[in-house]
Amino acid sequence: NAGVTQTPKFQVLKTGQSMTLQCAQDMNHNSMYWYRQDPGMGLRLIYYSASEGTTDKGEVPNGYNVSRLNKREFSLRLESAAPSQTSVYFCASTSGGAGNEQFFGPGTRLTVL
Amino acid sequence: GEDVEQSLFLSVREGDSSVINCTYTDSSSTYLYWYKQEPGAGLQLLTYIFSNMDMKQDQRLTVLLNKKDKHLSLRIADTQTGDSAIYFCAETTSGTYKYIFGTGTRLKVLA
Repeated sequence: NAGVTQTPKFQVLKTGQSMTLQCAQDMNHNSMYWYRQDPGMGLRLIYYSASEGTTDKGEVPNGYNVSRLNKREFSLRLESAAPSQTSVYFCASTSGGAGNEQFFGPGTRLTVL
Repeated sequence: GEDVEQSLFLSVREGDSSVINCTYTDSSSTYLYWYKQEPGAGLQLLTYIFSNMDMKQDQRLTVLLNKKDKHLSLRIADTQTGDSAIYFCAETTSGTYKYIFGTGTRLKVLA
């Protein structure tokens, strides 16, 4: 099992450009999440998908959209990137079993100039 | 409201014990977690504890939970240089999909 995979690993955008961050998991998990990590602020939830076909806003959804393409894939789109969106983005999925632990991808490091 | 707080930095000598502390505010939390993040990597679950437990031990790791004070700690025995990383505590409540993470504690192990 590859676990949770994310592409790309690094990306540099200019202000106003758009891009989609891809995430996939092969663990048959129902729930998937997108977080951003900024220095001194821990992880903040952008959007989550409790199950295939549903998405909900998290703590910091402004400027982002998501698509739960199928059970495996959950993408995050920046329609018009801003410097404030410079961050490290993590995708995660949840086992739903005992402990309900989250499994994380390796992250995408995004810089918006 | 929900909040999880951690101190930002901790420095220990190799071979000593490390204790990383966390406080949370949501009394309805069901699961409490400790994650480790190494440089340039994602978060890796170290251990978790149910809210009805006081302690959990897993090899060099000991988790203590004080529900009255809403205080969670992670003790790492015989700390090694490979333990240098950022450690996050997190909480969630059964029946919800929301996880609340602390700001992370950067542990530096000195040789």
